[in-house]
Amino acid sequence: EDKVVQSPLSLVVHEGDTVTLNCSYEVTNFRSLLWYKQEKKAPTFLFMLTSSGIEKKSGRLSSILDKKELSSILNITATQTGDSAIYLCAVSEGGAQKLVFGQGTRLTINP
Amino acid sequence: DTGVSQDPRHKITKRGQNVTFRCDPISEHNRLYWYRQTLGQGPEFLTYFQNEAQLEKSRLLSDRFSAERPKGSFSTLEIQRTEQGDSAMYLCASSPSLGTGELFFGEGSRLTVL
Repeated sequence: EDKVVQSPLSLVVHEGDTVTLNCSYEVTNFRSLLWYKQEKKAPTFLFMLTSSGIEKKSGRLSSILDKKELSSILNITATQTGDSAIYLCAVSEGGAQKLVFGQGTRLTINP
Repeated sequence: DTGVSQDPRHKITKRGQNVTFRCDPISEHNRLYWYRQTLGQGPEFLTYFQNEAQLEKSRLLSDRFSAERPKGSFSTLEIQRTEQGDSAMYLCASSPSLGTGELFFGEGSRLTVL
């Protein structure tokens, strides 16, 4: 069965810290890995990764995919309270673009 | 607002009642997805439409659940004879068929079954 596992499930840090969130996957027909941020309601898109070893960056956030290890990391530097959210990792499989999600990492940034 | 919209945003019902949720996708998107999210979990896939055709259903979608997309535009998700275990956030998402793989999510319909 296709599976996406995220760690840690919960993380509390102080403003200004750097955090690394992990995602590992087992899917039969991998197409891409996506990261979403969910604050209160709708998940909002952060990154999509298809190629191993190529880092995607957006401001203080960056992510990289390791297809050999079937994993990805999401880094956030100089964290701010507005980064507090649930970060979801999802894998796209097959032709339907169906996403299989992990449980999410709840990140809390304390001032 | 041209994003994915869902209605109602919150529904409270008694066990055994039927409920229906509506999703209006982004207008040029021909793929539409329903997901369910419970507290502390990531979204779980329920079903997927390409235009009006329902192409895949999860085994999570028991016979009490039915989804339609009659004209390939909006979709409805009906739950019959609701149970307390149906309490969850029901998320709708859409995407173009030749897209990048990103799904665009609505804000969800939260169901509470008493």
